[in-house]
Amino acid sequence: QKEVEQNSGPLSVPEGAIASLNCTYSDRGSQSFFWYRQYSGKSPELIMFIYSNGDKEDGRFTAQLNKASQYVSLLIRDSQPSDSATYLCAVRIKGSARQLTFGSGTQLTVLP
Amino acid sequence: EPEVTQTPSHQVTQMGQEVILRCVPISNHLYFYWYRQILGQKVEFLVSFYNNEISEKSEIFDDQFSVERPDGSNFTLKIRSTKLEDSAMYFCASSVLLGYEQYFGPGTRLTVT
Repeated sequence: QKEVEQNSGPLSVPEGAIASLNCTYSDRGSQSFFWYRQYSGKSPELIMFIYSNGDKEDGRFTAQLNKASQYVSLLIRDSQPSDSATYLCAVRIKGSARQLTFGSGTQLTVLP
Repeated sequence: EPEVTQTPSHQVTQMGQEVILRCVPISNHLYFYWYRQILGQKVEFLVSFYNNEISEKSEIFDDQFSVERPDGSNFTLKIRSTKLEDSAMYFCASSVLLGYEQYFGPGTRLTVT
């Protein structure tokens, strides 16, 4: 069974700090990796995607992918209280280009 | 910025009744999806749809479920005979092409009593 694992948290960081969120996946053939932010009672909001090994930066967000270790992470720099949410890791596995497999999410709280 | 829209935002129905959840995907997107999220659980894939056909479905998507694109803008999910365990948030998503990023709508909260 193809799994996506995340530390459920909660993860608390002070305002202005770097928040580091981690995700591992079991299917070595996974091809595409996504980070969604989900506020309580709301829908997943796409914040980052990464397809190749290495780092990808977009504003305060950096996604890091290491396919050899089957590991993807999200760094949030200069964390703000408005970043407090659940962060979902989603993976598109090889042979199933149409569906995303989601992790259970990491709850992040940024303390003012 | 274009977005996926869904109606209704909340649907309450009695067990055994049929419900239709509606979605308007982003206008230039070609691939459409339904996901659900039971309260406190993971987001789960139900079905993907392209060119007026189901392209992939999960084990959850049994004979009680169907999808349709009745016109050029709407995409619907029908549950024929709802069960208590169908209570969940249902999210529609779309992507411009296969393999590209999927953008989610705001969801429909389905409550089956």
